[in-house]
Amino acid sequence: EAGVVQSPRYKIIEKKQPVAFWCNPISGHNTLYWYRQNLGQGPELLIRYENEEAVDDSQLPKDRFSAERLKGVDSTLKIQPAELGDSAVYLCASSFPSGTRSNNEQFFGPGTRLTVL
Amino acid sequence: RKEVEQDPGPFNVPEGATVAFNCTYSNSASQSFFWYRQDCRKEPKLLMSVYSSGNEDGRFTAQLNRASQYISLLIRDSKLSDSATYLCVVNKIGNQGGKLIFGQGTELSVKP
Repeated sequence: EAGVVQSPRYKIIEKKQPVAFWCNPISGHNTLYWYRQNLGQGPELLIRYENEEAVDDSQLPKDRFSAERLKGVDSTLKIQPAELGDSAVYLCASSFPSGTRSNNEQFFGPGTRLTVL
Repeated sequence: RKEVEQDPGPFNVPEGATVAFNCTYSNSASQSFFWYRQDCRKEPKLLMSVYSSGNEDGRFTAQLNRASQYISLLIRDSKLSDSATYLCVVNKIGNQGGKLIFGQGTELSVKP
């Protein structure tokens, strides 16, 4: 079974440029998460979707970050404009809905490693 | 103060050693607890859940002390393949969905 797919795997851009990351979750997983992982730190949640609805975006810097999951399947995370401090690994994860079952493990994709110069 | 704090590491141990990782969390309302493993330049993967009664999975034993808000992971008979970063994770709800709060991770290096 295919896992969470992310692209691109690596991205190098200059500051002030826009960048977008794409994620395709595991088939059947209604819940999708975007996390950011800085070097030497654990992942931090940016946004969580239940189907196409963003149910937790409290950690998303809305001045420059945006996300969408229009059809409730794949998702895009965008940064515009990028800043030096945005350099990090952006991880997408998916699971069954939070409240529906006890075993709704979050499965992570390989991440997109962003470098802003 | 971070919500989840771990031993700074790195831990460098010989094969066969026993190593213990500690973790504390600040939110007493936390409901569920996990250890994740992350290999270098890879994604985090669930290692095991942590229960109040303590639980064991082969060479790995996890313990939870709710009163002290403390979580531990013990690895016995370390293997080279155990080398990775171990992330302590808590959740405000009683399952693995929702917003996972990760510690910064503790790096383990097992040497021959």
